[in-house]
Amino acid sequence: DGGITQSPKYLFRKEGQNVTLSCEQNLNHDAMYWYRQDPGQGLRLIYYSQIVNDFQKGDIAEGYSVSREKKESFPLTVTSAQKNPTAFYLCASSIRGMGQFFGPGTRLTVL
Amino acid sequence: AQTVTQSQPEMSVQEAETVTLSCTYDTSESDYYLFWYKQPPSRQMILVIRQEAYKQQNATENRFSVNFQKAAKSFSLKISDSQLGDAAMYFCAYRSLTQGGSEKLVFGKGTKLTVNP
Repeated sequence: DGGITQSPKYLFRKEGQNVTLSCEQNLNHDAMYWYRQDPGQGLRLIYYSQIVNDFQKGDIAEGYSVSREKKESFPLTVTSAQKNPTAFYLCASSIRGMGQFFGPGTRLTVL
Repeated sequence: AQTVTQSQPEMSVQEAETVTLSCTYDTSESDYYLFWYKQPPSRQMILVIRQEAYKQQNATENRFSVNFQKAAKSFSLKISDSQLGDAAMYFCAYRSLTQGGSEKLVFGKGTKLTVNP
């Protein structure tokens, strides 16, 4: 089955800890994206990558970091510098002109 | 920068009836894509329909169709014969064609659709 997987589904973090959210796709898409979703808001872009070993900041990159060492994988690290990390995180990938396809998401809660 | 506005935070419809969700956008570009995404309670984002701005014909996908008014910068979604499974958040999204290979999307804040039996 082709698709996008995110893990874990739920993640709990203590204040001051870094955590890494996983995103994997087997769709052979070049571009991948990370979004944050808060209640009452649309999706806000954190980072995106159009090609391996390259990525760009989105609208709310502060306190987050990413890597793109493989085409299939685009992990997101939420660092302790992110002041309000509790949110729902969505990963997506795309192929030119067809729109973005999303994973099932990870719910991150800071305790 | 482009913006997308969904002026209806919530809408409701009776099962089997038709409902229209509104979306307007602001852009100075002439070529772009527009999308509607559905987010059911599972929170998985599902692509419902897409429209290329250079096409005058409105896109349709089964019970879903759009009314694309380029001059008015309006992109509404019509759901016909509404079903209980249509209950979800619906997001309108804009993609510029001038940003090279990037498929970056700008999202509206969403409309919550309730379907009443």
